[in-house]
Amino acid sequence: EAGVAQSPRYKIIEKRQSVAFWCNPISGHATLYWYQQILGQGPKLLIQFQNNGVVDDSQLPKDRFSAERLKGVDSTLKIQPAKLEDSAVYLCASSLKSGILHFGDGTRLSIL
Amino acid sequence: QQQVKQSPQSLIVQKGGISIINCAYENTAFDYFPWYQQFPGKGPALLIAIRPDVSEKKEGRFTISFNKSAKQFSLHIMDSQPGDSATYFCAANQAGTALIFGKGTTLSVSS
Repeated sequence: EAGVAQSPRYKIIEKRQSVAFWCNPISGHATLYWYQQILGQGPKLLIQFQNNGVVDDSQLPKDRFSAERLKGVDSTLKIQPAKLEDSAVYLCASSLKSGILHFGDGTRLSIL
Repeated sequence: QQQVKQSPQSLIVQKGGISIINCAYENTAFDYFPWYQQFPGKGPALLIAIRPDVSEKKEGRFTISFNKSAKQFSLHIMDSQPGDSATYFCAANQAGTALIFGKGTTLSVSS
């Protein structure tokens, strides 16, 4: 089966600019997650979707981050405006069963 | 309550040796404890997982030991190989919630 697809793989922007990431989960996976992984740390949950509804966005900095999953399949994560501390790898994951997450290879974001 | 604490931060093991990574948790509602392996430039991939109704699970050279009373679990890699060099993350969750990850352990297996 095809894995979780993410794009772009790399993005470099200046602070205060906006950026968007795209994720296509494994077909049939109802649950989709966005995690932020800062260098040298473990992935930290930003938002969890079940189909196109939000299950958990308690750790999403809503003043600058937004995410949507309009048709219950693809998802986009947006940052506007970006701050230096947003430099990280943004990982998308999907799951069919609770706990068994399949991750994409992430988007590495660098803020100048 | 929601943290998963992982140690050591880094580990160097000789080829053929045993690698041991430890994790501790606080939330007694957690009922799923996986280990993920991550290579540079790749996303984490599920390695092995355990539920609290068993104390040990073995898959090939990888074993999880689980101590419910101590709220600790560990990953043992037997006969460590250079190809095992990667970052390992423990994680935990309860049904329906997202995984909470530890900070990771960078394993280097020297040949």
